[in-house]
Amino acid sequence: EDQVTQSPEALRLQEGESSSLNCSYTVSGLRGLFWYRQDPGKGPEFLFTLYSAGEEKEKERLKATLTKKESFLHITAPKPEDSATYLCAVQARNSGYALNFGKGTSLLVTP
Amino acid sequence: NAGVTQTPKFRVLKTGQSMTLLCAQDMNHEYMYWYRQDPGMGLRLIHYSVGEGTTAKGEVPDGYNVSRLKKQNFLLGLESAAPSQTSVYFCASSTLTGTANYGYTFGSGTRLTVV
Repeated sequence: EDQVTQSPEALRLQEGESSSLNCSYTVSGLRGLFWYRQDPGKGPEFLFTLYSAGEEKEKERLKATLTKKESFLHITAPKPEDSATYLCAVQARNSGYALNFGKGTSLLVTP
Repeated sequence: NAGVTQTPKFRVLKTGQSMTLLCAQDMNHEYMYWYRQDPGMGLRLIHYSVGEGTTAKGEVPDGYNVSRLKKQNFLLGLESAAPSQTSVYFCASSTLTGTANYGYTFGSGTRLTVV
């Protein structure tokens, strides 16, 4: 059974304090790993898709990396506007293109 | 470009009542999905569709039915609502070729309370 585990559940950072969020996964044939950002009361917003171990993608202060067992979302010098819940999801080869989500990491960046 | 639009945004139902949630996308996406999001549970797939006229069950399909009569619309029905169906419902759509750059596009959600 496919599983996605995100840690920590919640993270509080000072503005400028870099850190990483973890997404561990087990899946029978990974088609892709996705990162989303979700603000309160809104739908998830797409950030990245990673397909193979060793792949990295960047967007502003965010950088996502992928290994065969986990993915990291690195946040460099975060700002208060980076506060949100970050969701990780995997797409398995036999899933019919649906995503299996982790429970998310709630990030709070304080000034 | 509206993306994915969900209606209604909020609804309160009494136990046993029925309702339909509507999802409409204007991006010509082949695939559409219904998820529910509950505190501490994350997003869970209810049903999905890989094309007009086709639907399939997800992780938590019991108590729900879906239809995709038109490519741009995906309907989620609750025949007899139960308090356990109190949740936030999200619709999403995607294409196979666009996933790398655009992922899945989500709507803004429907907050449903069953009393």
